[in-house]
Amino acid sequence: DTGVSQDPRHKITKRGQNVTFRCDPISEHNRLYWYRQTLGQGPEFLTYFQNEAQLEKSRLLSDRFSAERPKGSFSTLEIQRTEQGDSAMYLCASSSYTSGSHQETQYFGPGTRLLVL
Amino acid sequence: AQTVTQSQPEMSVQEAETVTLSCTYDTSENNYYLFWYKQPPSRQMILVIRQEAYKQQNATENRFSVNFQKAAKSFSLKISDSQLGDTAMYFCAFMNRDDKIIFGKGTRLHILP
Repeated sequence: DTGVSQDPRHKITKRGQNVTFRCDPISEHNRLYWYRQTLGQGPEFLTYFQNEAQLEKSRLLSDRFSAERPKGSFSTLEIQRTEQGDSAMYLCASSSYTSGSHQETQYFGPGTRLLVL
Repeated sequence: AQTVTQSQPEMSVQEAETVTLSCTYDTSENNYYLFWYKQPPSRQMILVIRQEAYKQQNATENRFSVNFQKAAKSFSLKISDSQLGDTAMYFCAFMNRDDKIIFGKGTRLHILP
């Protein structure tokens, strides 16, 4: 078990540029989550997938944000026309979900720290 | 809407002492899950301990234990025999059947040598 991995770990970009982050979940996990964490705050939920289906999106996820999980394995989070307010740590987590069973723990990746200049 | 409140932004204790981090939450649901996550400086978030609301017994993981008071909606974390490696940001978190985690703002814990 290699854990949840994210790439890149750090990204510096200029305002108005597009950026894309990748998350590779724990291999047997069917659920994948994206969170955003700003300085001094706890993470905030953005969106999540079960397999390749995107089940929910937070109001925090403006139309400049899009997430995909095309084959139900890795996921990408793209931010178009970045703004300085997008500067944050973007965290990915995964869990193993089975209908009717207890909720499974979410395991987090190391995050991608984005700085928009 | 569910909320999680951590009233202690920062705490410091001497190594080997016991420390308790406070957390309260608000929900109208009966079935949910509570967590404490640890986020060391510049390192990833890891699960410390988990509590299912339907279980009356408090969860324990080695030096970490919780005091879960469902009626009071309180979920405190006790760290016994604290170690330098316990220095981190600690987040209390709530998860309901929607499977989204709601985090508190965190408590920054410093273990002093």
